Amino acid sequence: DQQVKQNSPSLSVQEGRISILNCDYTNSMFDYFLWYKKYPAEGPTFLISISSIKDKNEDGRFTVFLNKSAKHLSLHIVPSQPGDSAVYFCAAKTGANNLFFGTGTRLTVIP
Amino acid sequence: NAGVMQNPRHLVRRRGQEARLRCSPMKGHSHVYWYRQLPEEGLKFMVYLQKENIIDESGMPKERFSAEFPKEGPSILRIQQVVRGDSAAYFCATLPTRTDFSGNTIYFGEGSWLTVV
Repeated sequence: DQQVKQNSPSLSVQEGRISILNCDYTNSMFDYFLWYKKYPAEGPTFLISISSIKDKNEDGRFTVFLNKSAKHLSLHIVPSQPGDSAVYFCAAKTGANNLFFGTGTRLTVIP
Repeated sequence: NAGVMQNPRHLVRRRGQEARLRCSPMKGHSHVYWYRQLPEEGLKFMVYLQKENIIDESGMPKERFSAEFPKEGPSILRIQQVVRGDSAAYFCATLPTRTDFSGNTIYFGEGSWLTVV
């Protein structure tokens, strides 16, 4: 029962262009969403988050958009840099603080 | 990730043996999550604990797996009679308090890689 889904296992983008990573969820009780970046053999590192009462949050090159009616969120990275190459996970939290992750999208930024 | 310590980082067990994975939270953190990442898959929620209490274990397999977070000491994920399918990376994340949740307050450890041979 995958409550958080990332349907694109991989994405390749040219350096300098925009990377758009997508995430869909099924549980309408999620109240907080997060994006994590993960390198091999390391733990996830927090990138950016958004509360369910907002539809956009921006932090430098990273912007997260939330569409509650579509149960969809996306992470935009612009401009993309080679150092952004990693696996990106979206995660969603319930009011009880249960935190569920998607399956991840491997981003490759081509120099 | 600094401050959340997981050990061992790598563990090899033969089928049928027991595996114990430890997670020492950041100072002041009283809540712990455990996740499992199978090869080429995402992070699967296993259990959410606070000190001396299991809050949610809905992601834990019904048999062979158990978790605890005692008043003193690290949280321990215990896998009895390991099988090859238990081979995975196990991550813990810690949180200060139940009400203090944000991307900036929950920290992940570096993970423990279990290999069952």
